[in-house]
Amino acid sequence: AQKITQTQPGMFVQEKEAVTLDCTYDTSDPSYGLFWYKQPSSGEMIFLIYQGSYDQQNATEGRYSLNFQKARKSANLVISASQLGDSAMYFCAMRSSGAGSYQLTFGKGTKLSVIP
Amino acid sequence: DAMVIQNPRYQVTQFGKPVTLSCSQTLNHNVMYWYQQKSSQAPKLLFHYYDKDFNNEADTPDNFQSRRPNTSFCFLDIRSPGLGDAAMYLCATSPGGRLGTQYFGPGTRLTVL
Repeated sequence: AQKITQTQPGMFVQEKEAVTLDCTYDTSDPSYGLFWYKQPSSGEMIFLIYQGSYDQQNATEGRYSLNFQKARKSANLVISASQLGDSAMYFCAMRSSGAGSYQLTFGKGTKLSVIP
Repeated sequence: DAMVIQNPRYQVTQFGKPVTLSCSQTLNHNVMYWYQQKSSQAPKLLFHYYDKDFNNEADTPDNFQSRRPNTSFCFLDIRSPGLGDAAMYLCATSPGGRLGTQYFGPGTRLTVL
């Protein structure tokens, strides 16, 4: 069984500062993918960044980077130079290549608030 | 721009009155998904289509049905909505392959009166 844990229900960050959102995962599959999504109050789930379990380098996409520590089973999202528009719910999610559902396993989310 | 489109964005229906939500995509992806998301919760997968193959999650109520007439369109039918079905319904697509990234539409917020 797969599991995603996000231990921070809510976070505050000052505008222009960096922030790290925590995510740990559990799976027995050797091949898996880790995803981060942003969900503003409008409801749309916006894909931010992907990390494959065999990727050697940490993924980066603009101001987003994923701090992937495989041995610790963590995949933290780092947002640099926070902006007011970054205020949203952030979900960590995982899929594996093993047999079974195509379901994305989501964490419970972290609500990020950026303070001017 | 390639995208996932959902209509309507807001839907109000009455208790027990059938409702259909629509999703279309211009990404030409093989897989289309329907998720239900209730307030302050993570999305929950209802079912997905891999091309024409329909895959239902074990705990999806029979009240929920889906149709995929072609690659671009997928519909969610709620046969007899109850108050507990009020939620955001999210459509997503992905390329074939179990690790493909899922891209979501803007969602339809369903209210049941």
